[in-house]
Amino acid sequence: EDKVVQSPLSLVVHEGDTVTLNCSYEVTNFRSLLWYKQEKKAPTFLFMLTSSGIEKKSGRLSSILDKKELFSILNITATQTGDSAVYLCAVLHYGNNRLAFGKGNQVVVIP
Amino acid sequence: DTEVTQTPKHLVMGMTNKKSLKCEQHMGHRAMYWYKQKAKKPPELMFVYSYEKLSINESVPSRFSPECPNSSLLNLHLHALQPEDSALYLCASSQDRHRGAYEQYFGPGTRLTVT
Repeated sequence: EDKVVQSPLSLVVHEGDTVTLNCSYEVTNFRSLLWYKQEKKAPTFLFMLTSSGIEKKSGRLSSILDKKELFSILNITATQTGDSAVYLCAVLHYGNNRLAFGKGNQVVVIP
Repeated sequence: DTEVTQTPKHLVMGMTNKKSLKCEQHMGHRAMYWYKQKAKKPPELMFVYSYEKLSINESVPSRFSPECPNSSLLNLHLHALQPEDSALYLCASSQDRHRGAYEQYFGPGTRLTVT
């Protein structure tokens, strides 16, 4: 059975802090790992990581994958209140389109 | 354009009603998905369509019936639902080329309440 484990499940930070979110996985036929941000409605796509050690960046967000140790991290620097959301990690299986989600990291950024 | 649209945004239905949820995308994606999401839980996959054919059914009860009339549209027909089926129903789409890895784009969801 697939396992996608995110930690911490919940955290509260102040504006300007740096946040590091973790996602570890044990899945058969791993293809890629994806990060999504979910506020009140639909998850919005952030990153897809397929190769180890290659950092992906978008503004204050960055992410990296370690396929040997089976985990990924998502970093948010200089956090803002608009970063408050649930961050979902999901693993894509090779050969089909199945996404297995973790439970999410709930981030609250207070002014 | 990475937009997936869903209608209706909200739906309240009784246990004897029949209703349908609709999803549309114009990104040329050939894979489309239905997910169910309960409060404070991650999305759970229900169905996957690949090139308009059902490729994955995650043992979903038959009171949920998916349909993919063409490559841009995805429906979910609902009949004789139970109150525990109340949830946010999300549609998603992605490219689908052999052995490729493609991100899924989600629609805004339909908030379903079964009374």
